[in-house]
Amino acid sequence: QVQLQESGPGLVKPSETLSLTCTVSGGSISGYYWSWIRQPPGKGLEWIGHIYSTGSTNYNPSLKSRVTISVDTSKNQFSLKLNFVTSADTAVYYCAKYGMVNNYFDYWGQGTLVTVSS
Amino acid sequence: QSALTQPASVSGSPGQSITISCTGTSSDVGRYNLVSWYQQYPGKAPKLMIYEVNKRPSGVSNRFSGSKSGNTASLTISGLQAEDEADYYCCSYAGSSTLVFGGGTKLTVL
Repeated sequence: QVQLQESGPGLVKPSETLSLTCTVSGGSISGYYWSWIRQPPGKGLEWIGHIYSTGSTNYNPSLKSRVTISVDTSKNQFSLKLNFVTSADTAVYYCAKYGMVNNYFDYWGQGTLVTVSS
Repeated sequence: QSALTQPASVSGSPGQSITISCTGTSSDVGRYNLVSWYQQYPGKAPKLMIYEVNKRPSGVSNRFSGSKSGNTASLTISGLQAEDEADYYCCSYAGSSTLVFGGGTKLTVL
């Protein structure tokens, strides 16, 4: 059973960079796609982007200029960096396993709240 | 790339059936049979309920079903139960390896 766990700072200052890591256990990160999704408090889900285990990425066009997703197969981890954050980036951030062929997220982390505030 | 349109809320009594719509465009929902649905309880991660418009993952009750007509996908829950009260989100492939979610629907079981 694949499990995902997000980790990183819960508080980030405006204009700084949000950095999160997702650790995958119970299976290899290789050969699959992995995604970041966020949910502002009281609002809906927003797809941020995904990465294949070889490092190929795709991003939400609305966030593309500020987002970088990377993967470290040796650690079975993938990461998210979001630059120049504002209060609008305050959200619960989820990492998830993505089935590219079928377009679904079948395994999710528990989510981590990141607050942007000075 | 705009969010898919879902009703903000729907409600039904136990035992009834309800349908949640998810309206997109000819560039996403209308073009691809790659719509998935998620159930989310407060404070919890979403759970996959339907994929590829109408397929159920192992372990999901057959009371949940999906369909699509034109640019609108739908999730139907039959034999409504109290435990079905949750938020529901649709998600569609939108081309060029991008995805778009719906705004979410709050289901209330009366």
